[in-house]
Amino acid sequence: AQSVSQHNHHVILSEAASLELGCNYSYGGTVNLFWYVQYPGQHLQLLLKYFSGDPLVKGIKGFEAEFIKSKFSFNLRKPSVQWSDTAEYFCAVNPGGYNKLIFGAGTRLAVHP
Amino acid sequence: GAGVSQSPSNKVTEKGKDVELRCDPISGHTALYWYRQSLGQGLEFLIYFQGNSAPDKSGLPSDRFSAERTGGSVSTLTIQRTQQEDSAVYLCASSPGTDSYNEKLFFGSGTQLSVL
Repeated sequence: AQSVSQHNHHVILSEAASLELGCNYSYGGTVNLFWYVQYPGQHLQLLLKYFSGDPLVKGIKGFEAEFIKSKFSFNLRKPSVQWSDTAEYFCAVNPGGYNKLIFGAGTRLAVHP
Repeated sequence: GAGVSQSPSNKVTEKGKDVELRCDPISGHTALYWYRQSLGQGLEFLIYFQGNSAPDKSGLPSDRFSAERTGGSVSTLTIQRTQQEDSAVYLCASSPGTDSYNEKLFFGSGTQLSVL
């Protein structure tokens, strides 16, 4: 069965530190990849997505993610985090030909001033 | 409305009772999803509606769970004979439905269900 693994469940950083959140998926075919974010007290919202083309995808608020097909990975990065990035981050995969997103367990990020 | 609306926001029930959770998607969105988020778990897919097509029920965990969507808009998720393991946040999402593989989902704020 398809699955999505997020290896870091909790991450604590200081402001200005660099961020990388891991995401691996298990599906051998074409995939569409997403990162969603849930800020405290808010709805889940899309951060960025990859469908095809350049494997380095830019999203909102300075986030980016790189699709590495050979590693089945789609890690999220940000060079310098801010306190306002404190949130829960979810990686999601839409296997080709399927109409539902498969989500990872999420990573809670806490950024201290 | 401007976003996906879910009600109630919180529901406390006793084990064995039935509950109904409501989702009002964004107007015009033909695709509607239900997910469940348990403590420390990811979002678990439950069911997907697309227009007038037969729903994809592959994620429903047992026959105690059912969902319907009336008139292609509002959806109700029903859990019969609730169990404590049903306690979770139930999230509804909708999308325009023109390209389901690539669209972003718009999520509601969820219903926190607690089964005592």
